[in-house]
Amino acid sequence: EVQLVQSGAEVKKPGDSLKISCKTSGYSFTTNWIGWVRQTPGKGLEWMGIIYPGDSDTKYGPSFEGHVTISADKFIKAAYLQWNSLKASDTALYFCMRPGPSQYIEYWGEGTLVTVSS
Amino acid sequence: DIQMTQSPSALSASVGDRVIITCRASQPIRKWLAWHQQKTGRAPKLLIYQASTLETGVPSRFSGSGSGTEFTLTISSLQPDDVATYYCQHYSSYPWTFGQGTKVEI
Repeated sequence: EVQLVQSGAEVKKPGDSLKISCKTSGYSFTTNWIGWVRQTPGKGLEWMGIIYPGDSDTKYGPSFEGHVTISADKFIKAAYLQWNSLKASDTALYFCMRPGPSQYIEYWGEGTLVTVSS
Repeated sequence: DIQMTQSPSALSASVGDRVIITCRASQPIRKWLAWHQQKTGRAPKLLIYQASTLETGVPSRFSGSGSGTEFTLTISSLQPDDVATYYCQHYSSYPWTFGQGTKVEI
């Protein structure tokens, strides 16, 4: 059974750094893409980017490139989403997701709520 | 980026009604379209991929159709468990994008 287990909710201040995780099990981690989707009340669901853990090939959505870093650890079988300097506008619910064989989003994590407030 | 536009934004229907949600892509995406269901406080869940293929375990009252730029999700007989927001999502090219969602109420 494929499982995507995300790290818990975070409350941070503007300017803080943060790394959230998505630990996987039940499938071959290195031969499947894995990525992140942001959800906010104002903009809905937004595709942030995706990584292929086998060779670390990474694709970013244009709104997110340069603002976040997507990474993966193939030994722990986990994907990560990282910010170096959070803004209030990063307040959102973040889902990890794993595409299926034809690249549709087949599996979703349960979500990690990130709140950025002074 | 390919823009996905859903209609309506919200609808209210009765149990047993046929419900149709439309999704339009700003450029042709062949059949590279998925539908996801999100219940309040939960993660989205895949219902349909490749425009019309039902994900394993999804009730047969859900169906999808379309290709190119026009797609529909149909619930043939609305059930109380179907109260949720439904999103279309293309995966034709990067970046993948979502429709704004259709909230279905009873």
